[in-house]
Amino acid sequence: DAGVTQSPTHLIKTRGQQVTLRCSPISGHKSVSWYQQVLGQGPQFIFQYYEKEERGRGNFPDRFSARQFPNYSSELNVNALLLGDSALYLCASSTARQGAGNTEAFFGQGTRLTVV
Amino acid sequence: AQTVTQSQPEMSVQEAETVTLSCTYDTSESDYYLFWYKQPPSRQMILVIRQEAYKQQNATENRFSVNFQKAAKSFSLKISDSQLGDAAMYFCAYRSARNSGYALNFGKGTSLLVTP
Repeated sequence: DAGVTQSPTHLIKTRGQQVTLRCSPISGHKSVSWYQQVLGQGPQFIFQYYEKEERGRGNFPDRFSARQFPNYSSELNVNALLLGDSALYLCASSTARQGAGNTEAFFGQGTRLTVV
Repeated sequence: AQTVTQSQPEMSVQEAETVTLSCTYDTSESDYYLFWYKQPPSRQMILVIRQEAYKQQNATENRFSVNFQKAAKSFSLKISDSQLGDAAMYFCAYRSARNSGYALNFGKGTSLLVTP
């Protein structure tokens, strides 16, 4: 079975531009979460979506937005890119509803975004 | 907000030996979940082991075990019979059991080097 897939794997953008990152969850998983991992740090939670609705949001500016489609795939959008947005963006999928305990989150290999 | 602290940026262990990675966390909640994730150079986060705070018994998964001290808010990972494939970044993570989405709160990580 295919795991969580993210595209593209690498991306270079210029300051001020907009970027869209994509995530396909494991088949049967209805929950998708996004994380930002800056070099040398642990991942930071950005969003969680379950059944196409936003279920959680981390401490990120409104330049960050996301959505989930009927097939449960998801997109993360970042507008007006800053140099500080350079990071590895990880997507995770699970079967869990909001607050549903210790259910495992399965991660993709991430999209490496470089803003120049 | 809950904070997760990993005080060891780097650790080294010889093959077949045992190593312990430290993690402490700060929370006012009584019900939560703790995880250890491994991130190899491939960047994909892989779940190593998980612990429910309401369980007194320490979790074990083959060569991996935890020492969960709830009162001390400590959650260390012990790797026995270390193998070359264990070399990776290890992240400790916290998830609230309350209605806070599915957010995992990660520490900064410990880089584990395994020497032959």
